Amino acid sequence: DGGITQSPKYLFRKEGQNVTLSCEQNLNHDAMYWYRQDPGQGLRLIYYSQIVNDFQKGDIAEGYSVSREKKESFPLTVTSAQKNPTAFYLCASSRRGSNTEAFFGQGTRLTVV
Amino acid sequence: AQSVAQPEDQVNVAEGNPLTVKCTYSVSGNPYLFWYVQYPNRGLQFLLKYITGDNLVKGSYGFEAEFNKSQTSFHLKKPSALVSDSALYFCAVRLPNSGGYQKVTFGTGTKLQVIP
Repeated sequence: DGGITQSPKYLFRKEGQNVTLSCEQNLNHDAMYWYRQDPGQGLRLIYYSQIVNDFQKGDIAEGYSVSREKKESFPLTVTSAQKNPTAFYLCASSRRGSNTEAFFGQGTRLTVV
Repeated sequence: AQSVAQPEDQVNVAEGNPLTVKCTYSVSGNPYLFWYVQYPNRGLQFLLKYITGDNLVKGSYGFEAEFNKSQTSFHLKKPSALVSDSALYFCAVRLPNSGGYQKVTFGTGTKLQVIP
């Protein structure tokens, strides 16, 4: 099955810890994205990557980091600098071009304990 | 700056009745418009998009949307609602590429509740 896989589904983090969220796609898409979803706020872009070894900050990149060493993978690290990390995180991928729709993973719910 | 408004946080409709989920946008230029659906604790799924051409776009699961340039709207519709349509619906807007990345802007979502 082609698709985009996020893991883990649920993640708990202690204050001061860094955690990494995994995102893998086998759709051969060039572009990949990380979004944060909070109730009543829609989706906000954290980082995006249009090609391997290149990525750009989105609207709320502070406290997050990413890498894109392989076309298939776009992991997101939530660092201790992110003051309010509890949220639902969504990874997506798409073909190049503004007229293409995004394919989303199932999401990772991160909770700070 | 581009923006998307979904004026209703929640829409309730009886099963079998037609449904409408509203979306209006503000953007400079001719946009691409998208609708996505999200079931609880899941990712978003693409429903349909308007790129160009016919203003009435048909998509998955019997949904359709009408692009109205003069009213800057892209309302989602379905002739007969099913209980299984109950979910969170997102409208999104994006400008065409002009040599660089174009940001997608999502609305805040509308919860659709179909009542048996």
